[in-house]
Amino acid sequence: DTAVSQTPKYLVTQMGNDKSIKCEQNLGHDTMYWYKQDSKKFLKIMFSYNNKELIINETVPNRFSPKSPDKAHLNLHINSLELGDSAVYFCASRQSNTGELFFGEGSRLTVL
Amino acid sequence: SQQGEEDPQALSIQEGENATMNCSYKTSINNLQWYRQNSGRGLVHLILIRSNEREKHSGRLRVTLDTSKKSSSLLITASRAADTASYFCATEIYEKLTFGTGTRLTIIP
Repeated sequence: DTAVSQTPKYLVTQMGNDKSIKCEQNLGHDTMYWYKQDSKKFLKIMFSYNNKELIINETVPNRFSPKSPDKAHLNLHINSLELGDSAVYFCASRQSNTGELFFGEGSRLTVL
Repeated sequence: SQQGEEDPQALSIQEGENATMNCSYKTSINNLQWYRQNSGRGLVHLILIRSNEREKHSGRLRVTLDTSKKSSSLLITASRAADTASYFCATEIYEKLTFGTGTRLTIIP
């Protein structure tokens, strides 16, 4: 069983389109995150949710909207995609007693 | 920005040698963590050291933390080909984990 699973793994789309990436964790963690990794491998935190409540919202364009229907799921919807949105997006969940993050395998988004 | 700086950016060593990576950061932290990322994969947690700890070991890994210098080091002893990966330090403040720039480690068989 995959602890943190993301879908899709690859996504190729045209500029201006809207797309979603889904994330699910079966670890029972309360806190989940979205990170963006660019072509230089820099990882930047985007959002964090704790038990469905938004707790971290970095300087991210309004075109990005996270949604957490329950504490096991954190989805990312992106409107009006731009070339600069091309990156690998990682979902992660946090084990509260250790602080360790568990990452998904990433979703590689390519905007043409 | 709290983002850590890692040094070196890239490191190539012979199998069996030790590898040392350094991480510097800017503000006070709750803890510092190290992660490994194999090419095309997600990050995997290696070790966590709390702000009141100075050294920690896990198998072939040794991590040190100097809060006065705001720096940490990761030592991998007796390197193996399978250790080839990117290594990231991450500082945590109130459940927000901020990652460093990473060190690309290549182990030459």
